Amino acid sequence: QKEVEQDPGPLSVPEGAIVSLNCTYSNSAFQYFMWYRQYSRKGPELLMYTYSSGNKEDGRFTAQVDKSSKYISLFIRDSQPSDSATYLCAPRGASGGSYIPTFGRGTSLIVHP
Amino acid sequence: DGGITQSPKYLFRKEGQNVTLSCEQNLNHDAMYWYRQDPGQGLRLIYYSQIVNDFQKGDIAEGYSVSREKKESFPLTVTSAQKNPTAFYLCASSSQGFGANVLTFGAGSRLTVL
Repeated sequence: QKEVEQDPGPLSVPEGAIVSLNCTYSNSAFQYFMWYRQYSRKGPELLMYTYSSGNKEDGRFTAQVDKSSKYISLFIRDSQPSDSATYLCAPRGASGGSYIPTFGRGTSLIVHP
Repeated sequence: DGGITQSPKYLFRKEGQNVTLSCEQNLNHDAMYWYRQDPGQGLRLIYYSQIVNDFQKGDIAEGYSVSREKKESFPLTVTSAQKNPTAFYLCASSSQGFGANVLTFGAGSRLTVL
């Protein structure tokens, strides 16, 4: 079993839809949960992150972590064609050698007008 | 503006040749990383460095070499021993210590073996 599992998609939705992107993980030591967005042929950029369990909202984006079930989610409200990209979840530990993030495979999202 | 610069953006190599990918950062980050990305594979860690003159192997270090002589620079050499080098290579950096220490990525270098 990989440490981080993420469905590669592609996920195709109409403009304005609510999108749910998800990851599962196996390492209970993970404390920080990052989401990176990667446009085609570009480097990833940090979208948002959460620490430990709970929700965090930033505009149309909400990150959610359930440590009891080892489940990570990213919700996008009112999706736009400009949201079309690959979304990578990247949890990591808080200290020592576990500080290096482990990346999921990424989910390709396509928002069509 | 602070950031990471990777060069070249595109590189073609003949089989049997070594090539070096450049990575420079002006973010004053201590840690630097090299990842390889293949279609549908996500990011796989090749090497990382937490401090000058020290580096560690990642998950797929075979056929690659690095150096960290300066804090700002972390070049990656793809050697002829790497059997399948065609891929998208990403360099990243981060601060260290308490906190999120998120990664900042460069724009990537696409290597094609002819």
